[in-house]
Amino acid sequence: SAVISQKPSRDICQRGTSLTIQCQVDSQVTMMFWYRQQPGQSLTLIATANQGSEATYESGFVIDKFPISRPNLTFSTLTVSNMSPEDSSIYLCSVEAGGPTDTQYFGPGTRLTVL
Amino acid sequence: RKEVEQDPGPFNVPEGATVAFNCTYSNSASQSFFWYRQDCRKEPKLLMSVYSSGNEDGRFTAQLNRASQYISLLIRDSKLSDSATYLCGTGGSNYKLTFGKGTLLTVNP
Repeated sequence: SAVISQKPSRDICQRGTSLTIQCQVDSQVTMMFWYRQQPGQSLTLIATANQGSEATYESGFVIDKFPISRPNLTFSTLTVSNMSPEDSSIYLCSVEAGGPTDTQYFGPGTRLTVL
Repeated sequence: RKEVEQDPGPFNVPEGATVAFNCTYSNSASQSFFWYRQDCRKEPKLLMSVYSSGNEDGRFTAQLNRASQYISLLIRDSKLSDSATYLCGTGGSNYKLTFGKGTLLTVNP
């Protein structure tokens, strides 16, 4: 399976600031995704990070709030912009595992607290 | 109605018990099905994919009923190390996965 790292692992931020989360994979992957897991809630897909083109956002998520970069097949960033306490959550990147099913492997997550 | 719903739990069982988790999904176009395990403050890790014919991996058995849009996970001879949150997930087109909220299992000595 792919080895995925995320930076930072956790952060505490002030309201109104922005945080960029990095996701690095040890092998080239076509599909990378960003999820949010709020306390007591299910994992929710924010967007699919497309290499060489704009990310594809899910309903309820917009590029101005969650800009995403995907400069190559092993790296992506997610920025949480103009943060509010409601953005406090765990943010996880994932990659497709390949093979016949669309299994995904998840990074260790970034635990964000917004004060 | 939520796309993927799971037993709310929590489940507290003694070591050696058999425990079953259920999951229903609303999107009849779902093509793939999974159980993930998530330990406290860790990322979800794939436990097993679920196939139409049902599949078994040691003490774990997963079943899929497409007609009823229902997925189950059975854990036999529970171990303390099985304590975790179990997430049910479905996949459709474009590799998008949808998850339930998860069911917390605590196996007690």
